[in-house]
Amino acid sequence: DTEVTQTPKHLVMGMTNKKSLKCEQHMGHRAMYWYKQKAKKPPELMFVYSYEKLSINESVPSRFSPECPNSSLLNLHLHALQPEDSALYLCASSQGQGLSPLHFGNGTRLTVT
Amino acid sequence: AQSVTQLGSHVSVSEGALVLLRCNYSSSVPPYLFWYVQYPNQGLQLLLKYTTGATLVKGINGFEAEFKKSETSFHLTKPSAHMSDAAEYFCAVRTNSGYSTLTFGKGTMLLVSP
Repeated sequence: DTEVTQTPKHLVMGMTNKKSLKCEQHMGHRAMYWYKQKAKKPPELMFVYSYEKLSINESVPSRFSPECPNSSLLNLHLHALQPEDSALYLCASSQGQGLSPLHFGNGTRLTVT
Repeated sequence: AQSVTQLGSHVSVSEGALVLLRCNYSSSVPPYLFWYVQYPNQGLQLLLKYTTGATLVKGINGFEAEFKKSETSFHLTKPSAHMSDAAEYFCAVRTNSGYSTLTFGKGTMLLVSP
């Protein structure tokens, strides 16, 4: 079982919909991450939050909007997505220091129709 | 900039055979290297990591990796493959000194036949 919980596991949405992905961890980690993984590709970093503040945005389009309500929760708000945004969205957390490993959730499989 | 290259998108072995997955890195600073495994429809699980110290690193599920600076390599091995080892394996290098951000290799799919 993973210690990083992501919901929902699967999501199908139209291009005009607004939806949110949720991520939760209770390991006391202070850094949280969103990665995007296309089929048969490695994960690509989208956002990093450190101590609940957005620290890194890898030039992600504004139709993806992250939010970190508290140190245990990380959301990714989706609006006006394109079919090419269909992918596995992975949340991860770490203790916050550069040497600490990432702990990944099982991801949300997103399909945009 | 730091990067990793995984040689071979697919590796096939028989059950009980040696597993060798290759990873070479490029880094302008001492690298911090990781191996992750991804089973179908799941997230990534840390197998092992190298930061400093002992160059032979032991991980979970019987895997180990050796950091060789002279060869800029961090190959993953397991003496005897099991059917349950079939998965995608990613080598990764830390890319930002302030955070645990990682740059992943393209991945190697390990296929295990009976």
